[in-house]
Amino acid sequence: SQTIHQWPATLVQPVGSPLSLECTVEGTSNPNLYWYRQAAGRGLQLLFYSVGIGQISSEVPQNLSASRPQDRQFILSSKKLLLSDSGFYLCAWSHFRELFFGSGTQLSVL
Amino acid sequence: KQEVTQIPAALSVPEGENLVLNCSFTDSAIYNLQWFRQDPGKGLTSLLLIQSSQREQTSGRLNASLDKSSGRSTLYIAASQPGDSATYLCAVRRIQGAQKLVFGQGTRLTINP
Repeated sequence: SQTIHQWPATLVQPVGSPLSLECTVEGTSNPNLYWYRQAAGRGLQLLFYSVGIGQISSEVPQNLSASRPQDRQFILSSKKLLLSDSGFYLCAWSHFRELFFGSGTQLSVL
Repeated sequence: KQEVTQIPAALSVPEGENLVLNCSFTDSAIYNLQWFRQDPGKGLTSLLLIQSSQREQTSGRLNASLDKSSGRSTLYIAASQPGDSATYLCAVRRIQGAQKLVFGQGTRLTINP
């Protein structure tokens, strides 16, 4: 069966520090991979998606970037965090049918 | 542009009641529709997936229906339990640009013992 791993579960970072969140999927190949953000009291916002290695589509201009160095690995990064980057970050995967989510990372930028 | 709306934003009912959550979408050209559950501070759990050719899907006490022509889906929860308390989200996958889902804002459901 397929599983998705996302870490860390919580992260507290100072403004201006770098960020790296990692997501890996097991039990499937060539999945579509996604990064979503959920700000407090707001809906899910799609940040990036990838249909293959090295293929990244950005949905909103922002302080973040994404990379897919391997088929089942998706990384969300920032060189310098802003206060507005705080939120709940979710990784997800699909094969054009069901979408499956990881457990999320709660990021607090102080 | 596809927009997804969920009404009500919050709902509180006594235990044992049957209830309906609503989801509406503006563009009927969808590939599928998915219902999720989210507990506080947790990721989203997939509940039901309805393909565009289907009218409904059932899983245990949950039944989801889809009416593409009217742009509506409902999630029916039978014999509600306190453990059903969570936020429920619907999401539609468009035919064009099918890599992406469009989410509603969710309905926060509270089941009172």
